[in-house]
Amino acid sequence: AQSVAQPEDQVNVAEGNPLTVKCTYSVSGNPYLFWYVQYPNRGLQFLLKYITGDNLVKGSYGFEAEFNKSQTSFHLKKPSALVSDSALYFCAVSQSRRGQNFVFGPGTRLSVLP
Amino acid sequence: GAVVSQHPSRVICKSGTSVKIECRSLDFQATTMFWYRQFPKQSLMLMATSNEGSKATYEQGVEKDKFLINHASLTLSTLTVTSAHPEDSSFYICSASRTSGGSTDTQYFGPGTRLTVL
Repeated sequence: AQSVAQPEDQVNVAEGNPLTVKCTYSVSGNPYLFWYVQYPNRGLQFLLKYITGDNLVKGSYGFEAEFNKSQTSFHLKKPSALVSDSALYFCAVSQSRRGQNFVFGPGTRLSVLP
Repeated sequence: GAVVSQHPSRVICKSGTSVKIECRSLDFQATTMFWYRQFPKQSLMLMATSNEGSKATYEQGVEKDKFLINHASLTLSTLTVTSAHPEDSSFYICSASRTSGGSTDTQYFGPGTRLTVL
């Protein structure tokens, strides 16, 4: 069975500082990992995904994530946070290359303080 | 980029009535669509997977007779909440996945529909 953990319910960071939103996963085969962001009363917006290749994945809005197989982690990072980055972030794992059968983490609320 | 729309964005209905939510892929053909529900301050829970031209596959615990899914074309899937009750109040989100050979297809999510049952 697949599972995703996001150990922090809430992350607070000052504008301009680097941010990290943590994600760990558990799958029985090759993991396909995704990050999505959700703004209030909106659907999810795709940020980035890891399928294969380089462990460092670059995505939308300056976000990046590093796949670490030994630690089964896929932490989301950004070098310099913006107030507009404040939102709910979801990590998801799929065992399908076609991105089906997602299991989402519980979400982490990011607040960037001016 | 790929765009998925949902209609309506918000609906309020009386208990016992049925509500239909549409999910459309606007600029691509979606062989597979997914329906999720999200309770306040919680993550998305997959309800069902819908493939064009075939019956939907429901997740364990989801009543298929209550949540009717139709995927009649490659650009449209509908979710009908039948005989809605207050506990069905939730945020319903669809997503669509397109097929392009053997490559991984990202799911594109709709903006969601907030259902409130009085």
